[in-house]
Amino acid sequence: EPEVTQTPSHQVTQMGQEVILRCVPISNHLYFYWYRQILGQKVEFLVSFYNNEISEKSEIFDDQFSVERPDGSNFTLKIRSTKLEDSAMYFCATETGGNTEAFFGQGTRLTVV
Amino acid sequence: QKEVEQNSGPLSVPEGAIASLNCTYSDRGSQSFFWYRQYSGKSPELIMSIYSNGDKEDGRFTAQLNKASQYVSLLIRDSQPSDSATYLCAVNKIPPGGAGSYQLTFGKGTKLSVIP
Repeated sequence: EPEVTQTPSHQVTQMGQEVILRCVPISNHLYFYWYRQILGQKVEFLVSFYNNEISEKSEIFDDQFSVERPDGSNFTLKIRSTKLEDSAMYFCATETGGNTEAFFGQGTRLTVV
Repeated sequence: QKEVEQNSGPLSVPEGAIASLNCTYSDRGSQSFFWYRQYSGKSPELIMSIYSNGDKEDGRFTAQLNKASQYVSLLIRDSQPSDSATYLCAVNKIPPGGAGSYQLTFGKGTKLSVIP
């Protein structure tokens, strides 16, 4: 069964460093999303991406965050200067569009120390 | 502020019983409703989606939607120990099939424990 692949599974970084989280969508999927889940908290929408541009973003997705699809396959989330409160599980989700299910990747656990 | 509220639990039911999970939402413009299951440390898995008032059944699972009361529920019949997980309710203001259909607002989830 096709799946959304996220790398790395766990990333530890020092406060102030830049991190890039990677997602490989299912091949025919056109809509891409990033969500995050702080430990013990709810899953929160960050950003949606379609046709090489951001469709929607939440108030969490400030200037420290950016997304891109650099090579037509990977979908990346960059955090420019990490803060302790960025520690969370980050999930990528992708879908074809048109009333179909969005598939979540297994997540990247980001720990900022 | 769009909110999705769930009882955090834990909800404990004996094996074979019916588990009933509830969710309320604040945004009357919500049009799509989802139930996800999340095992500890894992990603959410979609169990069911529902878009119209009434019941929708899929195997042991039944989702119920009442837009007038802004209420969604999930019934799990013949509960199994493998159903033990956190169940997340999620809503979306975008109609099914619309762009960004999975721009979801999640509740905190209800932890279900099925006792053998």
